[in-house]
Amino acid sequence: SAVISQKPSRDICQRGTSLTIQCQVDSQVTMMFWYRQQPGQSLTLIATANQGSEATYESGFVIDKFPISRPNLTFSTLTVSNMSPEDSSIYLCSVEDPQGLSSYNEQFFGPGTRLTVL
Amino acid sequence: AQSVTQLDSQVPVFEEAPVELRCNYSSSVSVYLFWYVQYPNQGLQLLLKYLSGSTLVKGINGFEAEFNKSQTSFHLRKPSVHISDTAEYFCAVRPSGGYQKVTFGTGTKLQVIP
Repeated sequence: SAVISQKPSRDICQRGTSLTIQCQVDSQVTMMFWYRQQPGQSLTLIATANQGSEATYESGFVIDKFPISRPNLTFSTLTVSNMSPEDSSIYLCSVEDPQGLSSYNEQFFGPGTRLTVL
Repeated sequence: AQSVTQLDSQVPVFEEAPVELRCNYSSSVSVYLFWYVQYPNQGLQLLLKYLSGSTLVKGINGFEAEFNKSQTSFHLRKPSVHISDTAEYFCAVRPSGGYQKVTFGTGTKLQVIP
């Protein structure tokens, strides 16, 4: 398994500002993921972040709005840029197969960052 | 592409009663199936998973699920629920083999009534 922490746990931000969310894992992982969970909805994958390469964004998400860094195998950041109220969401960091034990990997999730944009 | 349908957005059930949360999926390839639970103000935690083999899968906290390939279902069951089971439950599917994107259902909120 993996223990994942996220900072901040919650924040209230003003429209037009940016927020950077940090994700720290207690072991080295190849694949990290960022999800968005809007109120009352399911999880939507924003992007996949692999160390040493640029993040791969899903349809509807762009790097200018959600820049991602992955400087090493245990850490990643997601920035929500130029925020609007529609960005109010829970943002979840997830990792897969932290020890490389299997090829059918389950995902482990962080506790999430609850963002409210006014 | 895969899709997951959780028909029940909310399920109220009395404490100590049995519960079934329904999940149906669609896929043209073989899949792995998962159930995750999300307690209030927390991230997702894996309850159980089906990869292959026995179609009845047992998970944590007394939950189990049965994979039915012909009906493309993976319903979650518990014979007797507790107040602490109040949470949101997500069914998820991914194609088998290597890395493939996970598709989540819309979730079912289980409300256990004392």
